[in-house]
Amino acid sequence: KAGVTQTPRYLIKTRGQQVTLSCSPISGHRSVSWYQQTPGQGLQFLFEYFSETQRNKGNFPGRFSGRQFSNSRSEMNVSTLELGDSALYLCASSLGTGYSNYGYTFGSGTRLTVV
Amino acid sequence: QQQVKQSPQSLIVQKGGISIINCAYENTAFDYFPWYQQFPGKGPALLIAIRPDVSEKKEGRFTISFNKSAKQFSLHIMDSQPGDSATYFCAPQTNYKLSFGAGTTVTVRA
Repeated sequence: KAGVTQTPRYLIKTRGQQVTLSCSPISGHRSVSWYQQTPGQGLQFLFEYFSETQRNKGNFPGRFSGRQFSNSRSEMNVSTLELGDSALYLCASSLGTGYSNYGYTFGSGTRLTVV
Repeated sequence: QQQVKQSPQSLIVQKGGISIINCAYENTAFDYFPWYQQFPGKGPALLIAIRPDVSEKKEGRFTISFNKSAKQFSLHIMDSQPGDSATYFCAPQTNYKLSFGAGTTVTVRA
């Protein structure tokens, strides 16, 4: 059974550019969440999607956005990149309903470096 | 508002010893209490979790103890092995969101 797949694994972007990260959840999982991991702030929640609807959103500026497609694949976009956006971006998936929503499987992440 | 406080920041234990990591939370809306394990270059992996109507759960060498009134839960790793060397996160959950603690780096010396 394939795990959560995130692409690309590594990315280098310049300040002011925008970037799109992709996540393919485990087959059958309908919930996809995104987290940012940095040495200073740790793991912080960005947003969660279920059946193409955002159910919760973290405290990040509007430059961070996401979406989910009908096949449950998800993308997140960061516009007008800042140096502080350099981080490991993690995607996690779960079944998404009831107690089956508890217990997430994470991908290995996309390492974004902003220069 | 720091909702989740995890301690210690790091610990070193001898092979065969016991590792104990603690997590204190403030948000009484949390309704699921997992621990995640992360190795370098990988995403966190669910290790063990407990629901708030249970006080203890054991899976192999890993045990969660949960104290609802104190708003605390802990992870015990028994018979620690070098392969357990990793960073551990408590991440209480509600409303489709995990609130991660700062993490504990565990080093198991052979």
